[in-house]
Amino acid sequence: DGGITQSPKYLFRKEGQNVTLSCEQNLNHDAMYWYRQDPGQGLRLIYYSQIVNDFQKGDIAEGYSVSREKKESFPLTVTSAQKNPTAFYLCASSTRQGPGSYEQYFGPGTRLTVT
Amino acid sequence: AQSVTQLDSHVSVSEGTPVLLRCNYSSSYSPSLFWYVQHPNKGLQLLLKYTSAATLVKGINGFEAEFKKSETSFHLTKPSAHMSDAAEYFCVVSDTWQAGTALIFGKGTTLSVSS
Repeated sequence: DGGITQSPKYLFRKEGQNVTLSCEQNLNHDAMYWYRQDPGQGLRLIYYSQIVNDFQKGDIAEGYSVSREKKESFPLTVTSAQKNPTAFYLCASSTRQGPGSYEQYFGPGTRLTVT
Repeated sequence: AQSVTQLDSHVSVSEGTPVLLRCNYSSSYSPSLFWYVQHPNKGLQLLLKYTSAATLVKGINGFEAEFKKSETSFHLTKPSAHMSDAAEYFCVVSDTWQAGTALIFGKGTTLSVSS
């Protein structure tokens, strides 16, 4: 079964704690992405990675960090510096990043609630 | 800079009637355009894509969209709505020439289908 998995589906944390969201893909895709979704806002790009050991900030990277040590994995850490972390987080991957952007395949998402 | 505007935040139709979800885009170059669908608390699924081939694009579940360069539009249509079509729909644009560009999402249109 090929696809993208995100875990857990629901995550609850206390304010001030860092939390790491998992994203794994077995599609052999080079590029991976993290988006944040808030009601009525569409999706906003947090970070993306074109290849292993390389990643770039998206539009709203402040308060987040990522790593890309393996092609299959792109975990996102929501740090205590993120002022409003409660949101639905979506991970995606694509076959190639570059001239001629290709469609992205999405995981099922993680809903993070911070109180 | 590229952008996308979904002209309706909410569309309501009756089962069996046509669906029209409107999208206008802004792009300096020849764009790639996509429509994605999201059911509640799920990830996004690609409905269809336009990448400078035929201007009328057919997608899954009976949806189609027409690329109109003169109107900078990419409206999504379906001849007959089904209850299972109730979901949120996103129009998405990307540059086809610039390396490293991720997708730009509209804010979404919620489609309600009544019996």
